[in-house]
Amino acid sequence: GIQVEQSPPDLILQEGANSTLRCNFSDSVNNLQWFHQNPWGQLINLFYIPSGTKQNGRLSATTVATERYSLLYISSSQTTDSGVYFCAVEYGNKLVFGAGTILRVKS
Amino acid sequence: DAGITQSPRHKVTETGTPVTLRCHQTENHRYMYWYRQDPGHGLRLIHYSYGVKDTDKGEVSDGYSVSRSKTEDFLLTLESATSSQTSVYFCAISESGTTNTEAFFGQGTRLTVV
Repeated sequence: GIQVEQSPPDLILQEGANSTLRCNFSDSVNNLQWFHQNPWGQLINLFYIPSGTKQNGRLSATTVATERYSLLYISSSQTTDSGVYFCAVEYGNKLVFGAGTILRVKS
Repeated sequence: DAGITQSPRHKVTETGTPVTLRCHQTENHRYMYWYRQDPGHGLRLIHYSYGVKDTDKGEVSDGYSVSRSKTEDFLLTLESATSSQTSVYFCAISESGTTNTEAFFGQGTRLTVV
């Protein structure tokens, strides 16, 4: 099956700093999504991005499908950005998740 | 927000008892999924459904069964709960299983097996 690897596994930032999260996948995929799981456990859709670049406020994402990776950029981080960030790829009819990046933003 | 409701939201049960979790959607989406989330593993697929009475296994399906008798409801059953099934369970829906579809998740059910 497909392997989805996220890096780094943990990240601590000072409020206002920028960060880049990476998602590598081992095979061609139909699409890719980024999610944020907040401290209450809710999974929030950030980006649906099978290829190209998208931006939403302070967050942006880029997927290079031919090279099998995606990047999530967080600029001017805020404490509310804390939580776990997951990428998930659609492989066949299934959504396969990476293990996540735990982000802690300190004030 | 996508209309997905999971019930119950929290449950404590004893080892060996049957447990059923319910996922209800109001979006008329074809695909429904059950995942479990455990520390260090992200979310892992248990079972999914691609239509009424059409289901298939995911990567961690042992000890679980599912049923889908209506488009809007997808049930996950633990026939005889074990402590290893203590986890947070998420339901997800998507319009189809092919390209150009986005998956949305419910609020989760925290299950503790004692």
